[in-house]
Amino acid sequence: EAGVTQFPSHSVIEKGQTVTLRCDPISGHDNLYWYRRVMGKEIKFLLHFVKESKQDESGMPNNRFLAERTGGTYSTLKVQPAELEDSGVYFCASSQDPGTRTGELFFGEGSRLTVL
Amino acid sequence: AQSVAQPEDQVNVAEGNPLTVKCTYSVSGNPYLFWYVQYPNRGLQFLLKYITGDNLVKGSYGFEAEFNKSQTSFHLKKPSALVSDSALYFCAVSLTGGGNKLTFGTGTQLKVEL
Repeated sequence: EAGVTQFPSHSVIEKGQTVTLRCDPISGHDNLYWYRRVMGKEIKFLLHFVKESKQDESGMPNNRFLAERTGGTYSTLKVQPAELEDSGVYFCASSQDPGTRTGELFFGEGSRLTVL
Repeated sequence: AQSVAQPEDQVNVAEGNPLTVKCTYSVSGNPYLFWYVQYPNRGLQFLLKYITGDNLVKGSYGFEAEFNKSQTSFHLKKPSALVSDSALYFCAVSLTGGGNKLTFGTGTQLKVEL
């Protein structure tokens, strides 16, 4: 069974440019999460999809970030325009059942974003 | 608000010795606690969790963790460390009623040397 896959693994862009990160969750997982780790700091929650609907987007930093999950399958996270402080590793995770708080999350390898 | 503290950025231990990676938390209500590990160039992997019941939980690769409610701690332990255990370890807590939305600590780099 394929795990959570993320693309690209590393992206280097200049300030003001646009970047789109993609996440393919484990097949059958309705719940998809985006997290971000800025260098040396904690991993922070960005948002949570249940199928194609945004369940919780309280962690999104600002309106330069746009997440979508059309059709409830893969998800994209677009940063436009990128700023220096957006640099970090963006993790995607998926799970089958969020309601009980007992399930673990399955994480991808992360997409490293460097904004110059 | 909830938070997780991992007071050590790095822990060094000799192979064969016991290891402890510390974690304390602050959350309203009963916490659900997790440990994840990130090996180099890999994604985070689930190690173990505490939901309820026995305070000592056992997980993958011989790791275990002890939930201590009075000290609000959930330290990760292993009786005998291996070089292959060297990785970045994250403690996390689940928000009350928040599904699987996790609050993570800053991570602890474990280095096991021969």
